[in-house]
Amino acid sequence: DTAVSQTPKYLVTQMGNDKSIKCEQNLGHDTMYWYKQDSKKFLKIMFSYNNKELIINETVPNRFSPKSPDKAHLNLHINSLELGDSAVYFCASSPHNNQPQHFGDGTRLSIL
Amino acid sequence: GENVEQHPSTLSVQEGDSAVIKCTYSDSASNYFPWYKQELGKRPQLIIDIRSNVGEKKDQRIAVTLNKTAKHFSLHITETQPEDSAVYFCAASAVSGGYQKVTFGIGTKLQVIP
Repeated sequence: DTAVSQTPKYLVTQMGNDKSIKCEQNLGHDTMYWYKQDSKKFLKIMFSYNNKELIINETVPNRFSPKSPDKAHLNLHINSLELGDSAVYFCASSPHNNQPQHFGDGTRLSIL
Repeated sequence: GENVEQHPSTLSVQEGDSAVIKCTYSDSASNYFPWYKQELGKRPQLIIDIRSNVGEKKDQRIAVTLNKTAKHFSLHITETQPEDSAVYFCAASAVSGGYQKVTFGIGTKLQVIP
């Protein structure tokens, strides 16, 4: 079983649309994250949730809204998509402080 | 906030040679330092980590060293193989307000030439 699973794997859409990416982890971890990886491969933290509570919100446009219905799920909704949103988005989880993060396979978002 | 610098950004080595990647961090509160390997089109995966109470850790061909005074840590890969070719990320983690904040380096693209 995949420990951290994201859907969809690929997302191709037009500028201005609204889309969502889902993430689920079956590891029983308390903390979940969203990262954006651009074409230069830099991994930038976007959000972090601990037991459904938002704990890190980096400088991300408010078009991006995370939602955590329970500690096993962290979804990402993006409104009014822009060309600059094209990237690979990774979900990750970790058990608690100062433990390794487990990443999902990523969602490649392409904006036309 | 934490700032992690990583170099080199690209590294080419001949198969069998050693590769060294270096990182520095700024926040003295950082006390956990993981290294991740990302193969092309795949997810980052942990390969080794080190905590601030340890100066060196080794796992087969991979070793990591930490100098807390100088605030730098390094990844050493010996006897490199073509399958070591990937992007490697260092990271520094500090607990702030009871929660972990992880800052990644920019990554090093390692190419092992057969």
